[in-house]
Amino acid sequence: GQQLNQSPQSMFIQEGEDVSMNCTSSSIFNTWLWYKQDPGEGPVLLIALYKAGELTSNGRLTAQFGITRKDSFLNISASIPSDVGIYFCAGLEGGSEKLVFGKGTKLTVNP
Amino acid sequence: EAEVAQSPRYKITEKSQAVAFWCDPISGHATLYWYRQILGQGPELLVQFQDESVVDDSQLPKDRFSAERLKGVDSTLKIQPAELGDSAMYLCASSLSGISTDTQYFGPGTRLTVL
Repeated sequence: GQQLNQSPQSMFIQEGEDVSMNCTSSSIFNTWLWYKQDPGEGPVLLIALYKAGELTSNGRLTAQFGITRKDSFLNISASIPSDVGIYFCAGLEGGSEKLVFGKGTKLTVNP
Repeated sequence: EAEVAQSPRYKITEKSQAVAFWCDPISGHATLYWYRQILGQGPELLVQFQDESVVDDSQLPKDRFSAERLKGVDSTLKIQPAELGDSAMYLCASSLSGISTDTQYFGPGTRLTVL
């Protein structure tokens, strides 16, 4: 099935730094979603994107739906210790109702 | 705030045994999903229900896995017999109507370990 390439696989940053991660696909997606998963918990939706070029913010988080519709980006500004977790991109291919997830980016924030 | 409930949270079993997981979606949500998440990977859809009907079970290993949502509310996922490769997190999610713009809300998951 469709695979999403998410990078980087992991990040180690200092508190206060900005973070960027991205997700790419080989086919066109109509919806891009970004989730955060804490250890032992289910994913929680952070941001949903539905239109190419769309830029959406949720507090210190900003995500963009790429113009080509084959990629998406998530930025976290001024990171804090509670940002620690695994961030997953997910998307819906054109004509599909099945969510496809990336492999995740593990974020570690050093105080 | 309404949440998706799952039980048990953790399950350890020996291979060839039967296991069952339970999910109670958010009240009023017509669509229910079961995902499997292998360590280090993203969730992968196993089965999707719309009310009591299966919409998509193309990735469900039907020789050993079964899922039901008899009254269109809560759901049970069963594995019989369990194999070592079934060790994973099993996540349940629900959404209002299943259309692409509906948010899927995930439960806390059941962590299965097969020995």
